[in-house]
Amino acid sequence: AQKITQTQPGMFVQEKEAVTLDCTYDTSDPSYGLFWYKQPSSGEMIFLIYQGSYDQQNATEGRYSLNFQKARKSANLVISASQLGDSAMYFCAMREGRNTGNQFYFGTGTSLTVIP
Amino acid sequence: NAGVTQTPKFQVLKTGQSMTLQCAQDMNHNSMYWYRQDPGMGLRLIYYSASEGTTDKGEVPNGYNVSRLNKREFSLRLESAAPSQTSVYFCASHSTRTGYNGYTFGSGTRLTVV
Repeated sequence: AQKITQTQPGMFVQEKEAVTLDCTYDTSDPSYGLFWYKQPSSGEMIFLIYQGSYDQQNATEGRYSLNFQKARKSANLVISASQLGDSAMYFCAMREGRNTGNQFYFGTGTSLTVIP
Repeated sequence: NAGVTQTPKFQVLKTGQSMTLQCAQDMNHNSMYWYRQDPGMGLRLIYYSASEGTTDKGEVPNGYNVSRLNKREFSLRLESAAPSQTSVYFCASHSTRTGYNGYTFGSGTRLTVV
């Protein structure tokens, strides 16, 4: 079974609008961390936001927020007030607490295009 | 600047040639990783090193070898390159002591095998 599933290969959003990128995960470990990374066309991987499994509140970082629904095992990324510079690939990732090697599992990514 | 340095950034190999991708980090991280990124498949773990002196296979280790030369350096070797190894390779490092739980990534190596 896939550890991380991103079902939206491509998304479009109008500039200044909000967009939600979906991510579901699969783990039986009660301790885990969820991450979102942005990969612009230049290729580097940029950390956006982190949510721990025991965190009571949804994580927020500026225009990014993580809609964490633990019972549904979903960790959707919400980008508010989209900007042209938000056009990129977005990857959801998970690290399990029992994983002593701290390997991350990545989804297949969502390509976001912001339309002017 | 502190971070993860990968070399080379680009490489073209002929089938059967060998090469080593170099990775070094200066953040005193214990764990280091090699991933490959292919279209539609996300990032897949090739090998990792949880600490100096140890290495373990990831999801797609076939055709690769690694060396954790010291705490700073973790190299990936292709002994006999195949076209299926055409990919973008990322090195990453990680530490749970820094307060930042995520990976620090290198800038990637774009490898083409012809």
